[in-house]
Amino acid sequence: AQSVSQHNHHVILSEAASLELGCNYSYGGTVNLFWYVQYPGQHLQLLLKYFSGDPLVKGIKGFEAEFIKSKFSFNLRKPSVQWSDTAEYFCAVYYSGGYQKVTFGTGTKLQVIP
Amino acid sequence: GAVVSQHPSRVICKSGTSVKIECRSLDFQATTMFWYRQFPKKSLMLMATSNEGSKATYEQGVEKDKFLINHASLTLSTLTVTSAHPEDSSFYICSARLAGTYNEQFFGPGTRLTVL
Repeated sequence: AQSVSQHNHHVILSEAASLELGCNYSYGGTVNLFWYVQYPGQHLQLLLKYFSGDPLVKGIKGFEAEFIKSKFSFNLRKPSVQWSDTAEYFCAVYYSGGYQKVTFGTGTKLQVIP
Repeated sequence: GAVVSQHPSRVICKSGTSVKIECRSLDFQATTMFWYRQFPKKSLMLMATSNEGSKATYEQGVEKDKFLINHASLTLSTLTVTSAHPEDSSFYICSARLAGTYNEQFFGPGTRLTVL
């Protein structure tokens, strides 16, 4: 079965620190990749997405992610986090070729300390 | 654009009663909507895929007679939890897929269901 794993369940950083959240998926075929963010008390919002082309994708609020096909990875990065980045981050993968659904990772809670 | 709403945002009901949750795409037509359940400290679990004008496709382990899904129009899908029990208490989230956007989903704010 398809699966998405996020290695960090809870990350605590100080403001201005750099962030990298890992995401790996299990399927070797064509995929669409997403990172969603859920701020406290709010609903899921799309941060960025990869469909094809340049494997380095830039999203909103200074986030970026790099698709490395050979590693089945789509890690999320931000050079300098802010307190307002405190949220839960979900990696999601759409598997083509008959599965037709998006599979979510278990999420990573990011806490940024001022 | 691409706003999805859910109603109600929070509902408390007695065990044995039924609860209906609505999911609406406000500014676009969604041929496909999804219903998820979010458990504490766990990921979103896809319950079913709702296609306008046809029967929903349920994921393995999800009781279709308990979680009734109706997608009667291009902007509305409903999830009815029938004969609710305390173990059905959860956070239910819907999403809608915008056609032509490579499977990007837009999420509603979720509904917190508490069954007493």
